Amino acid sequence: EAGVTQSPTHLIKTRGQQATLRCSPISGHTSVYWYQQALGLGLQFLLWYDEGEERNRGNFPPRFSGRQFPNYSSELNVNALELEDSALYLCASSYIVGDETNEKLFFGSGTQLSVL
Amino acid sequence: AQSVTQPDIHITVSEGASLELRCNYSYGATPYLFWYVQSPGQGLQLLLKYFSGDTLVQGIKGFEAEFKRSQSSFNLRKPSVHWSDAAEYFCAVGADTGGFKTIFGAGTRLFVKA
Repeated sequence: EAGVTQSPTHLIKTRGQQATLRCSPISGHTSVYWYQQALGLGLQFLLWYDEGEERNRGNFPPRFSGRQFPNYSSELNVNALELEDSALYLCASSYIVGDETNEKLFFGSGTQLSVL
Repeated sequence: AQSVTQPDIHITVSEGASLELRCNYSYGATPYLFWYVQSPGQGLQLLLKYFSGDTLVQGIKGFEAEFKRSQSSFNLRKPSVHWSDAAEYFCAVGADTGGFKTIFGAGTRLFVKA
């Protein structure tokens, strides 16, 4: 079974540009999470999508946005890039079993975004 | 290569009892160590982190963890568990290898019984 896949692996942009990161969850997983992992700071929660809707959002400015498609894949868009946006962006997917919220996150290997 | 092992898939404790979640890591140098908690319906939340200095680290929600280099362990503890602590806990090790990467353990699901 394929895991969570993210593309591209590396992305280099300049300040002010826009970046688009993509994530394909594990088949059958309806939830997609995005995390920012900046150097030394661990994971910072960005966004959570489930069944095509944004369910929760972390403490990030509006220029961080995303969406989830009918096939449950997801995009993360970062507009007006700033130097401090340089980080590893991790996507994770999860599923819900019946009525029980039994979510276990499955992470992709991430997209390394470098803003020059 | 980095790796993180959380030996317990799930643990059940009584409310008010003490808690210890185990974590062992493998990394050739001094790692960055983290514990994250995932409550139902939530993303990961950082409980605490260790980079250097005092090996006993205090985190949020009354959690603490102790780094023991000799045992390659970073166990999470709480003296008195509350029902709201029921969640899944992830230990993670990170390293700066040309891009900061974190390896997570498989997680330990904590159940709290009344």
